[in-house]
Amino acid sequence: DAKTTQPNSMESNEEEPVHLPCNHSTISGTDYIHWYRQLPSQGPEYVIHGLTSNVNNRMASLAIAEDRKSSTLILHRATLRDAAVYYCILRWYGGSQGNLIFGKGTKLSVKP
Amino acid sequence: NAGVTQTPKFQVLKTGQSMTLQCAQDMNHEYMSWYRQDPGMGLRLIHYSVGAGITDQGEVPNGYNVSRSTTEDFPLRLLSAAPSQTSVYFCASSFSTTGSGNTIYFGEGSWLTVV
Repeated sequence: DAKTTQPNSMESNEEEPVHLPCNHSTISGTDYIHWYRQLPSQGPEYVIHGLTSNVNNRMASLAIAEDRKSSTLILHRATLRDAAVYYCILRWYGGSQGNLIFGKGTKLSVKP
Repeated sequence: NAGVTQTPKFQVLKTGQSMTLQCAQDMNHEYMSWYRQDPGMGLRLIHYSVGAGITDQGEVPNGYNVSRSTTEDFPLRLLSAAPSQTSVYFCASSFSTTGSGNTIYFGEGSWLTVV
């Protein structure tokens, strides 16, 4: 599985936008980019995913570089509830039995 | 819908004891899996199943057994607990095994301590 690189931690102020970067220089043409987050003492939850085009949903936006070697998860207005570990994960289009391969992720702290 | 339900939430075992972590989902999902998460680490895949009667090993399968007799249930068995198996265990499920756009849903976790 292709690898991703994320900063270990980031800080944000409440109600400000947050840009969480992810590098995936070895991504293949059939890898989807997925983001999950894990709130304290909870299981991971799906945030967003994309292949080539930028994506928006009610939780976040995903900006994908033209060469697909990097992407950025954008939280438009951070809240205290967004404090979590954010995982950037690549998934093969063929499914790979649906498995997710987790790295250490980025721990986001949100200050009031 | 209850989603993915794990029991027990907390368990303390003595070294050498065996136990089963239960996982059930009510979403008619084909794919189910078990992960473990050690302190400060990401999740690592233990075993997974792509449908009833079909299971396979993940990254860290040693010391664990699984079976999938029904679509709904995917229990994880610790055969002879060791302190190295102290961890938080997460069960997960997904509607389909193909198409990597499918969302994976996780349970709330089972905290296991082996003394």
